[in-house]
Amino acid sequence: EADIYQTPRYLVIGTGKKITLECSQTMGHDKMYWYQQDPGMELHLIHYSYGVNSTEKGDLSSESTVSRIRTEHFPLTLESARPSHTSQYLCASSESAGSNIWAGGRNIQYFGAGTRLSVL
Amino acid sequence: DAKTTQPPSMDCAEGRAANLPCNHSTISGNEYVYWYRQIHSQGPQYIIHGLKNNETNEMASLIITEDRKSSTLILPHATLRDTAVYYCIVKNNDMRFGAGTRLTVKP
Repeated sequence: EADIYQTPRYLVIGTGKKITLECSQTMGHDKMYWYQQDPGMELHLIHYSYGVNSTEKGDLSSESTVSRIRTEHFPLTLESARPSHTSQYLCASSESAGSNIWAGGRNIQYFGAGTRLSVL
Repeated sequence: DAKTTQPPSMDCAEGRAANLPCNHSTISGNEYVYWYRQIHSQGPQYIIHGLKNNETNEMASLIITEDRKSSTLILPHATLRDTAVYYCIVKNNDMRFGAGTRLTVKP
């Protein structure tokens, strides 16, 4: 079983509020990811990190920001939530393959249960 | 990055084998093939991965063609709980998920 945790599981908030979605993993993984997924739709990568102090934007433009101060923690923040941010947010982590191009077999991603966000 | 092509949906009778195809004709020599599934709106779950050889674990079997341009995930005895979206991914780093195949197992 994967040891990756997301809180809260469900969140209903009003427009304009600042929120932080928490994601923690206890596996010592260097790489962490945030995905956004609307019901019945594809997963879209919005942020990822290769390690402490490393953050990158993903394929889908997002108004959220992330930080990676500790290996185990990768929170996502929305400074001012809007109804368009209503979605499910999934966090994942994987072991780093480093510079070994043949180490791609260690890139198994482990996902949290997700946070369902509703902005009214 | 190698692209993958999967059928959008498939049906399978309960107890029968489910064979889910994936085309990845632009795969490079060191890219692995990964399979995940997502049940309802839970986080995706890793199933299996492989490079060249066929692989089997307690969940499924993965058959990769000799030219590595396609693969098939086999669920040997599908159950209703195997109804999910199945994703085939070819990438060494940074997993991107496509639309996948929605498998419906019917009684």
